[in-house]
Amino acid sequence: KQEVTQIPAALSVPEGENLVLNCSFTDSAIYNLQWFRQDPGKGLTSLLLIQSSQREQTSGRLNASLDKSSGRSTLYIAASQPGDSATYLCAVPLRAAGNKLTFGGGTRVLVKP
Amino acid sequence: NAGVTQTPKFQVLKTGQSMTLQCAQDMNHEYMSWYRQDPGMGLRLIHYSVGAGITDQGEVPNGYNVSRSTTEDFPLRLLSAAPSQTSVYFCASSPKDATYEQYFGPGTRLTVT
Repeated sequence: KQEVTQIPAALSVPEGENLVLNCSFTDSAIYNLQWFRQDPGKGLTSLLLIQSSQREQTSGRLNASLDKSSGRSTLYIAASQPGDSATYLCAVPLRAAGNKLTFGGGTRVLVKP
Repeated sequence: NAGVTQTPKFQVLKTGQSMTLQCAQDMNHEYMSWYRQDPGMGLRLIHYSVGAGITDQGEVPNGYNVSRSTTEDFPLRLLSAAPSQTSVYFCASSPKDATYEQYFGPGTRLTVT
């Protein structure tokens, strides 16, 4: 059974510092890995999707890497801003269907001005 | 497009009561899912559907029923509410040919006393 873990559960950094968020998974036979952002009281918004054949994916200040052999993905957020404060979750699909996701517990990020 | 909508936003139930959480999407997506989110545990899949008339169980289906009579709607029924069902419930949808493109609703916060 796939298990997804995110450590730390919470992170606080001063504005301008780079953020490094970790995600680990137990079954390396994944189709892809997604990073989501969740604002308090809101639903999830997809940030980045990395296909299993890719090693990284970039969007603006966000960069996500994937190392299937070690069962890890890292989300980097450059030059953090207070607006980056949110909970970040990673998720992988069950083998057979991309819409059935297994989520990590999330990392709650606070960027202090 | 309204995207994925959920009603109600908040609900308080007494143990043993029943209710239906509504979910609707206007994007003509074939795939729809229900997740619950508990503190520190990420999201866990309750039930999912790959099209009208087709549903299946996810990771934590006990105590919940679903049906999918139309493409647009995917209601979640709590048959006899228990305090363990206190959680935030999210509905998601995705197109059949891009199941990784999941769109989440804003959630329903349910408290069972």
